Amino acid sequence: GQNIDQPTEMTATEGAIVQINCTYQTSGFNGLFWYQQHAGEAPTFLSYNVLDGLEEKGRFSSFLSRSKGYSYLLLKELQMKDSASYLCAVIPWGQKVTFGTGTKLQVIP
Amino acid sequence: KAGVTQTPRYLIKTRGQQVTLSCSPISGHRSVSWYQQTPGQGLQFLFEYFSETQRNKGNFPGRFSGRQFSNSRSEMNVSTLELGDSALYLCASSFGQASKEKDTQYFGPGTRLTVL
Repeated sequence: GQNIDQPTEMTATEGAIVQINCTYQTSGFNGLFWYQQHAGEAPTFLSYNVLDGLEEKGRFSSFLSRSKGYSYLLLKELQMKDSASYLCAVIPWGQKVTFGTGTKLQVIP
Repeated sequence: KAGVTQTPRYLIKTRGQQVTLSCSPISGHRSVSWYQQTPGQGLQFLFEYFSETQRNKGNFPGRFSGRQFSNSRSEMNVSTLELGDSALYLCASSFGQASKEKDTQYFGPGTRLTVL
């Protein structure tokens, strides 16, 4: 099987930078996703890393290291609207997408 | 391009009843996956359908079933409802093939099911 671990909750200040970590145990997978989910809403796609390294998309960046079983989502210039849960997910080869339980981020003034 | 749609958005049922939820994927997507989300458990995978065939299945009892039609629309059925089935049910669609663009799942707004 595969386990995905994320911190349960994080708090950060508006304008700051926050890094949300995700560690996983799986022998092989196609790629790693990050989704954002606001309370009461459906998850929305943020990023998909296939290769090791950093992928930047505006204020959000996602990093993957397959050898270390580790990914992180980096949010810069935090805004109040970034308060949400952030879900990490992997697709093990030939299997279903598996989601972590998510990290609830609270941005404070 | 229209997004994933789910109907109904809200549903209230009583224990023992059954319910059918519907999901229409993004045009061109052939894979539809269903998830149950509760505050304590996060997103739990129910099953995935691809080209009318169940391709993957999660660890849910047989009361949970689904199907997919030739136009890729999918339905999920829960029979003999229990209080613990109260949750947000999400469906997600994708092209369903292994590549960066084709693996990405896009979620519908969900159906909020309350079992009394």
